[in-house]
Order: sequence, then C-alpha cells, then structure tokens
Amino acid sequence: DGGITQSPKYLFRKEGQNVTLSCEQNLNHDAMYWYRQDPGQGLRLIYYSQIVNDFQKGDIAEGYSVSREKKESFPLTVTSAQKNPTAFYLCASGVLTNNEQFFGPGTRLTVL
Amino acid sequence: GIQVEQSPPDLILQEGANSTLRCNFSDSVNNLQWFHQNPWGQLINLFYIPSGTKQNGRLSATTVATERYSLLYISSSQTTDSGVYFCAGGSQGNLIFGKGTKLSVKP
Repeated sequence: DGGITQSPKYLFRKEGQNVTLSCEQNLNHDAMYWYRQDPGQGLRLIYYSQIVNDFQKGDIAEGYSVSREKKESFPLTVTSAQKNPTAFYLCASGVLTNNEQFFGPGTRLTVL
Repeated sequence: GIQVEQSPPDLILQEGANSTLRCNFSDSVNNLQWFHQNPWGQLINLFYIPSGTKQNGRLSATTVATERYSLLYISSSQTTDSGVYFCAGGSQGNLIFGKGTKLSVKP
C-alpha cells in the first residue's frame, strides 16, 4: 500500500515541551517537505530535503528542526522556541524531475 | 518572492452549477498544481499543470504560463465538491500556496 503516512493524527503538548512529528513515505521519492497551515490560510514551507542527510530552510524555519537519515523518513521537531506552534502540519514528498508534490493526511498540533 | 493570488475567496453554488476558479502569479513558475482540501484536511492532487490544458472528469484546468495565470473549471458541481481549492506554484523546487477558494455546493 503506497503512500505518505503521518503520525500522530492529533497531538497535544504543554508549553515549553519539544515534540516530534513523524512522516514516512514508500513512494521512493527523493524530495520531502514540511508545511504549516493556520486556519483560513494557505500552506507555508518550513523545511525541505532533496537528498538524504541534507535539508534546507523554508520560509518559516525558526523554532523547528528536521533530520533526513533515511530516504523514506523526514521527522519534524517543533521546539519550545516556536512561539505559536498550534497549527496543522502537512508532510509532502515528490519527484525532482518536475517537482510535483503529494501530501500526507496531516497532524494537528495543539499547545495547551 | 513569488506571490499567489486566488479568486474568488468564497463561492457558493447550487448543485449542478458550473464554476471557474482563478490563480494569478506575480512571477513565472515552472511547476504549478491544483489541490482540493477535504473537510478532514487532506490535500488531494487535482492537476499538475505548468502549462496547457488538462481534463479529468468534471474538472479541467488551463494554465497560460506567459500571462502567469491558471484556471480551474468545475462543471455540474456536486455537494462532494465542497471544500477549499488551492493552487500552488514555484520555480526552485518549492511550492508557494495561495490562500485558497472556499467552495460550498448546496443541494
């Protein structure tokens, strides 16, 4: 069953805690991406990676960190330095030949 | 950076009606996609269309790259078409998203 999986679906954390969101894909895509969506808004790019062990900051990387140790996995850590972490987080993967992207189901993070 | 403007922001239709959604870009893009976000938040790929015209059932899309806009046509709308439609494009492997068009189809 091919696709992009994100876990958990819902996540609650206390202010001041770090939390890691999981993203896995079995589509053999080289590129992976993390986006953030706030209510009534479009998506904004946090980080992306086009190859294992390499990644680049997107437009809103402050307060977030990522790793890409395996082609299939691209976890996102929301650190306590992120001022407004409550949001919907979407992971995507894609091919480099034309940059078409495909999205996972998302994780809703709420900071209490 | 590239700015993406979508219109209209909101659209209410009666079931069976047709509609056109528009996406304007402030600069040239070499990848352009249309998505439908369902009520659970999942982004569904509709079209990858950096130029030209494509059709898939009741949906079709046209991109005029030289004039930096794209159109999404929905014909004979159904209640299941409700949701938010996003266009996104970029030039360096990334995607810049518009704020979306919220479509409500009434029975």
